[in-house]
Formats: sequence, C-alpha cells, structure tokens
Amino acid sequence: GAVVSQHPSRVICKSGTSVKIECRSLDFQATTMFWYRQFPKQSLMLMATSNEGSKATYEQGVEKDKFLINHASLTLSTLTVTSAHPEDSSFYICSASTPISGTDTQYFGPGTRLTVL
Amino acid sequence: AQSVTQLGSHVSVSEGALVLLRCNYSSSVPPYLFWYVQYPNQGLQLLLKYTSAATLVKGINDFEAEFKKSETSFHLTKPSAHMSDAAEYFCAVSYTGTASKLTFGTGTRLQVTL
Repeated sequence: GAVVSQHPSRVICKSGTSVKIECRSLDFQATTMFWYRQFPKQSLMLMATSNEGSKATYEQGVEKDKFLINHASLTLSTLTVTSAHPEDSSFYICSASTPISGTDTQYFGPGTRLTVL
Repeated sequence: AQSVTQLGSHVSVSEGALVLLRCNYSSSVPPYLFWYVQYPNQGLQLLLKYTSAATLVKGINDFEAEFKKSETSFHLTKPSAHMSDAAEYFCAVSYTGTASKLTFGTGTRLQVTL
C-alpha cells in the first residue's frame, strides 16, 4: 500500500514553455502533498505544501507564480513550471501524506526529471 | 527550528561488513525521525521511522536505528552489507502529529565493495 506515482518520469522542453507534472496517490487519499526539488548530488529541498482544496503554502524563496500547484482532489496534485528556463532543470519529487498513516509518514513518488533546453 | 546533520557524505564498506550511517538532529521539540533510501533516478523509500515509541526501530531489509536522546542521534545500522544496499541514504526530522514538513540531511552515499 501507500503508492505514489508521478507523470511524466522524464520531460525535456524548450525554454519559455510550461510543463505540468502530476502526482497521484494510488491507494489512499492524500490530504496533504508536498513538492520537492533535488539538484544533482544534493538533498531534497521542500518547495511547497498543498492541502486538498486549499492554496499551496510555498517555502521562502520559491516563486509561487512560476511554480503553480493545484491539489484539486484527494488523490491528485499537479505542479506546473511556467515559462521554464534552463536553471529550472532539476529532479522534482512529490510526496503524499494522510492522517490514517498515523504519524504523518510521507510516501514519495518516483520523481520527474525536467530538462529545459 | 530543526536540523539534521549526516556525518560523512560517502561511506564505503565491504560486502558482509557492518553498515553504520550517522545522523544527528537538532530539534526544540520531541522529534519524529526517519531514514529514507534513494536509488539512482528514483524517489525515496522509507526504511524506518521513530515516533516516540521504542527507541530501537527495526526497518526493512534488516536495517535498524536507535534513537538516543542524550546524544541527539539516530544512527542507521545493518549487520551485513549487501551489494544491493548501495544507494543514497537520507535522514530526516519532523515534528507534530499532523502532516508536517520534513527537514532532510544532506545524504550519505553508501558504496558496497566485493
């Protein structure tokens, strides 16, 4: 149980275009989802926290107009990178959490590698 | 504020040897502590978690970790390394009972040699 999927797994886009990444909890309802980015050989940095039906809470330094997060249902959250530039190239990972898991364990998706040319 | 320090960005052990990955935390409130493993180009998989119950926590693949409040440590161990254990390991801390933010350490890359 507690499987989280992400789509796509890899995406290459041209500079200036927008890219949407989906994060789905497959076998549980996720009241909270988190979005992270990870640069090569570095740790995960939290970008934002989203609760179903509410606006996302962004971490300091993360541009909310550039990284649009929508958590429209208990099983789906999307991250849209708008007007992507090469410096946005990174590994984006989502995680999902539900109170049923008891101790707010986060279950992670497999990640999406974004390359902006 | 909370933080996690992982000592040693790279650890190399021989197959069959003891694995010890170090993690120290700083938290102003009782923490929840986690160890995650990340294989290349994949997301994170939960190995084990400490949530204020037993101080010795057993996880998957024979990994275990011991919470030592006096040392503010949560070191990860495995009695006998296997080649398939080669990966990046992250220690993380959070607090409260609701879905709260995880603060990750910088990670330790484990190499297993023959």
